[in-house]
Amino acid sequence: GAVVSQHPSRVICKSGTSVKIECRSLDFQATTMFWYRQFPKQSLMLMATSNEGSKATYEQGVEKDKFLINHASLTLSTLTVTSAHPEDSSFYICSAAPTSGIQETQYFGPGTRLLVL
Amino acid sequence: DQQVKQNSPSLSVQEGRISILNCDYTNSMFDYFLWYKKYPAEGPTFLISISSIKDKNEDGRFTVFLNKSAKHLSLHIVPSQPGDSAVYFCAASSNSGGSNYKLTFGKGTLLTVNP
Repeated sequence: GAVVSQHPSRVICKSGTSVKIECRSLDFQATTMFWYRQFPKQSLMLMATSNEGSKATYEQGVEKDKFLINHASLTLSTLTVTSAHPEDSSFYICSAAPTSGIQETQYFGPGTRLLVL
Repeated sequence: DQQVKQNSPSLSVQEGRISILNCDYTNSMFDYFLWYKKYPAEGPTFLISISSIKDKNEDGRFTVFLNKSAKHLSLHIVPSQPGDSAVYFCAASSNSGGSNYKLTFGKGTLLTVNP
């Protein structure tokens, strides 16, 4: 149980285009999902907290107009990187906290590697 | 300001022996702690967690110890297996102040278990 999927697993795009990444909790409902970014040999950096049916909460320094988050259902959150630039190239990982059970435990997706040319 | 610290970037252990991964934190509001295992280019996998009301939690080969007064926790893996080789992240959360269970991660420790 507690499986989280991400799609796509890898994407290469041209500078200036937008990229959408999906995060799904497959076998549980998640009122709260989180989006992280990881640079090589660095820890996970929380970008934003996504709550179903309400606006996402962004961490300091994260541009909300650049990283659009939509949490339309209890099993799906999307992150759209708008007008992507090479510096947005990174490994993006989502996690989901179960609506029931131990809400402190987050289950992570496999990540999405984004390369902006 | 790093609130969760893993001071050892790497650790090498012989197969069958015990692996001890350490983690220190500075925020006294943290009340839940987790350990995750991560392979390159994959998402972290949840291993084990502990609430601040406990000082020990055990699950198979994995045991987490929490010393609240020292703001220190450790993950013990025994016996260590080559498949345990990965980066281990310590994470902490606080449900106070509407933090919504946000996790704060350490920088990770690369564990290598040698056959």
